[in-house]
Amino acid sequence: AQTVTQSQPEMSVQEAETVTLSCTYDTSENNYYLFWYKQPPSRQMILVIRQEAYKQQNATENRFSVNFQKAAKSFSLKISDSQLGDTAMYFCAFMKGSYDKVIFGPGTSLSVIP
Amino acid sequence: NAGVTQTPKFQVLKTGQSMTLQCAQDMNHEYMSWYRQDPGMGLRLIHYSVGAGITDQGEVPNGYNVSRSTTEDFPLRLLSAAPSQTSVYFCASSPDRDYGYTFGSGTRLTVV
Repeated sequence: AQTVTQSQPEMSVQEAETVTLSCTYDTSENNYYLFWYKQPPSRQMILVIRQEAYKQQNATENRFSVNFQKAAKSFSLKISDSQLGDTAMYFCAFMKGSYDKVIFGPGTSLSVIP
Repeated sequence: NAGVTQTPKFQVLKTGQSMTLQCAQDMNHEYMSWYRQDPGMGLRLIHYSVGAGITDQGEVPNGYNVSRSTTEDFPLRLLSAAPSQTSVYFCASSPDRDYGYTFGSGTRLTVV
């Protein structure tokens, strides 16, 4: 069974600084998809970024980028120029390419400090 | 578009009661899923559907039933509520398996 691990339950960062959230996963598959979701205090889940495993280029979305290391099974999220609105829970998620279930990690609580 | 709509937003049940959590989407998405969120455990998949008439179990299906008679609706039924089912429930939909989900705003359920 696939598992997703987020080893940092809580993190904090100063406003305007850069922070990296870690995610590792366990799979024997070669084709799969990875996602980062954000859950602010409003509780709404929001897709931040997605990565296809067969693409070597790291995905970027504005201030959000990933460092995808396929051999190491690592998928970290970098947030540049952190803003107060980035304060949220961040969930890493995995989906096997030939399957339909999306499995989530336990989450990292990020606080942006003014 | 309203996106993914979940009702109710809050619910208190007594042990042994049954109820249905409603989920509807107006984006013509084929893929729909139900998750429960508990502190420190992330989101755990209860049931999912890849199209009308097709459903399958996720990680924690016991005590829950689903059906998908239309593309738009994916209700989740609690058969006999237990305190262990106290949680926040999220419905999500996607146009394709790898596209990423659009989530509803959640239902906070308390079973006493």
